[in-house]
Amino acid sequence: SQQGEEDPQALSIQEGENATMNCSYKTSINNLQWYRQNSGRGLVHLILIRSNEREKHSGRLRVTLDTSKKSSSLLITASRAADTASYFCATNQGAQKLVFGQGTRLTINP
Amino acid sequence: DTGVSQDPRHKITKRGQNVTFRCDPISEHNRLYWYRQTLGQGPEFLTYFQNEAQLEKSRLLSDRFSAERPKGSFSTLEIQRTEQGDSAMYLCASSFLDSQETQYFGPGTRLLVL
Repeated sequence: SQQGEEDPQALSIQEGENATMNCSYKTSINNLQWYRQNSGRGLVHLILIRSNEREKHSGRLRVTLDTSKKSSSLLITASRAADTASYFCATNQGAQKLVFGQGTRLTINP
Repeated sequence: DTGVSQDPRHKITKRGQNVTFRCDPISEHNRLYWYRQTLGQGPEFLTYFQNEAQLEKSRLLSDRFSAERPKGSFSTLEIQRTEQGDSAMYLCASSFLDSQETQYFGPGTRLLVL
């Protein structure tokens, strides 16, 4: 069963705009990871944020984590056509496996 | 390229046939994971290995599924008597021996059961 929920399920923006995706989960976690998946391909790891961290940056990516609300957000700034993909959050609950949400399908329009 | 590799990338089979997939993890990684992803959904955990020991199996892994990692390096996932509901992308990932570590995914094997 999938624990995480991403919001929105689909997002379409213009190139250059910022994209924000949200993720909620239900149980306590060790860390939360964001992955990107291009159509029909494997998952590419973007960023990992630990449960004791509140914010993390990597290039054009900014991730926040609010463990009291059991939620995270992924912000992609200055979007590019190449950012078009599905984005998944995945929680590590200390049981080794990752629990994924259903993903947000992001489309960047030129 | 020293990433996770999977073979084959695509497999089409007829219902009732057996199929086997292979995963080669990143060489220094102790842990290896199998996930299944159906269209429009996120990946779902199937099983994982720490070295050659299979430490956890999901309830999704029916008795038609078997996974091995005989020497603690590559792993195989076999599906016996395939059913149309087995059609999915099968993803392999590997990581270091630490629950805080990133899992790195391979390109996946897309299975279609006719």
